[in-house]
Amino acid sequence: DTEVTQTPKHLVMGMTNKKSLKCEQHMGHRAMYWYKQKAKKPPELMFVYSYEKLSINESVPSRFSPECPNSSLLNLHLHALQPEDSALYLCASSPRMVSGIEDTQYFGPGTRLTVL
Amino acid sequence: AQKITQTQPGMFVQEKEAVTLDCTYDTSDPSYGLFWYKQPSSGEMIFLIYQGSYDQQNATEGRYSLNFQKARKSANLVISASQLGDSAMYFCAMREGRGGYNKLIFGAGTRLAVHP
Repeated sequence: DTEVTQTPKHLVMGMTNKKSLKCEQHMGHRAMYWYKQKAKKPPELMFVYSYEKLSINESVPSRFSPECPNSSLLNLHLHALQPEDSALYLCASSPRMVSGIEDTQYFGPGTRLTVL
Repeated sequence: AQKITQTQPGMFVQEKEAVTLDCTYDTSDPSYGLFWYKQPSSGEMIFLIYQGSYDQQNATEGRYSLNFQKARKSANLVISASQLGDSAMYFCAMREGRGGYNKLIFGAGTRLAVHP
């Protein structure tokens, strides 16, 4: 089973709203990732958690706040977003982060976010 | 400099025929991994196939095979017996080094259309 689930599938929010994206995996993976993907572009890495600790922040604005409550769950809290933040947000997991090169990242279906 | 280059923005193929999607990469690290992902219009990134830099044989997974030419730094994806459901965006990605962050570098992608 290589399933990563994400909720919600779609989200529309205003610039003053606070919302959260949720990602879950039950594969026992110890690394989890958030990516942002604009239309017709490849995914861009935002954050990496390894063993529930934030390991990589790719200079993401503070209006995006990640959280990893346990090894199976990853949240992305959104506050005061801009219209240019509208994108597909993808979550992924892999067995490890600092690892052999063969570690594969498995992605969820994504959340399509629209900021009005 | 571009680390992963996919020179074909779009490709089309007749159903049941084979198609090759090109990917070239650039790295000075002797240890690296190459991945192919499929992204249908629904958004999910689906892992297809992996090739390690030290692997002697080309990777195969069902109808997918990877034509790995190390000296030419190319890792082309071959899809045999195309099906309508193969219509999607395809991304080539690379991970460099052992023991480093599991950070994938993606190419720009190739959109494949399978015609009946």
